[in-house]
Amino acid sequence: DQQVKQNSPSLSVQEGRISILNCDYTNSMFDYFLWYKKYPAEGPTFLISISSIKDKNEDGRFTVFLNKSAKHLSLHIVPSQPGDSAVYFCAVRGWGKLQFGAGTQVVVTP
Amino acid sequence: EAGVTQFPSHSVIEKGQTVTLRCDPISGHDNLYWYRRVMGKEIKFLLHFVKESKQDESGMPNNRFLAERTGGTYSTLKVQPAELEDSGVYFCASSHFRTSYEQYFGPGTRLTVT
Repeated sequence: DQQVKQNSPSLSVQEGRISILNCDYTNSMFDYFLWYKKYPAEGPTFLISISSIKDKNEDGRFTVFLNKSAKHLSLHIVPSQPGDSAVYFCAVRGWGKLQFGAGTQVVVTP
Repeated sequence: EAGVTQFPSHSVIEKGQTVTLRCDPISGHDNLYWYRRVMGKEIKFLLHFVKESKQDESGMPNNRFLAERTGGTYSTLKVQPAELEDSGVYFCASSHFRTSYEQYFGPGTRLTVT
């Protein structure tokens, strides 16, 4: 059963604007939530994480928000840059292992 | 600092043959994980080593898959005999025991079984 869902398979955003990626999960026992970025033919690259005891974590252009009551996670990228074009995976950690969403393809247009 | 490395980057074998994938984690990382992505779907957990011990192998598909991590350094994942449905990209990841939630991934090995 899929416990992590990214319902938007793709997102197109203009350079300089905000990209908002969303992720929903089902199990309240997950303790860490992460976002990874993946280019073709490469492994996922760790971007940012947030613990279940926080609701926001910021690192440069990337901010992750956690809404535990809604079991919802989002990633904000602002401003979006052409190099941000990639597939973004949300991941949740439970019992030591990560479970991944299906990914969202982000395309940043000039 | 060198990242997680995997070898080979791509392997093409025939059904019934054996393949061994290798992963070298980031130096000092006690945790080592194997994941797999099949047909562009979700990345799925296979197993987790802490040093040389298997902590969790609940994601291993069947007994055709054997993972080892002798000496707690590099790890191998052997598939014997390979089946068509084993095709996919096999990722290795590692993490430090203090920040075990931050897993750093290697570039993956693309396995094609024909």
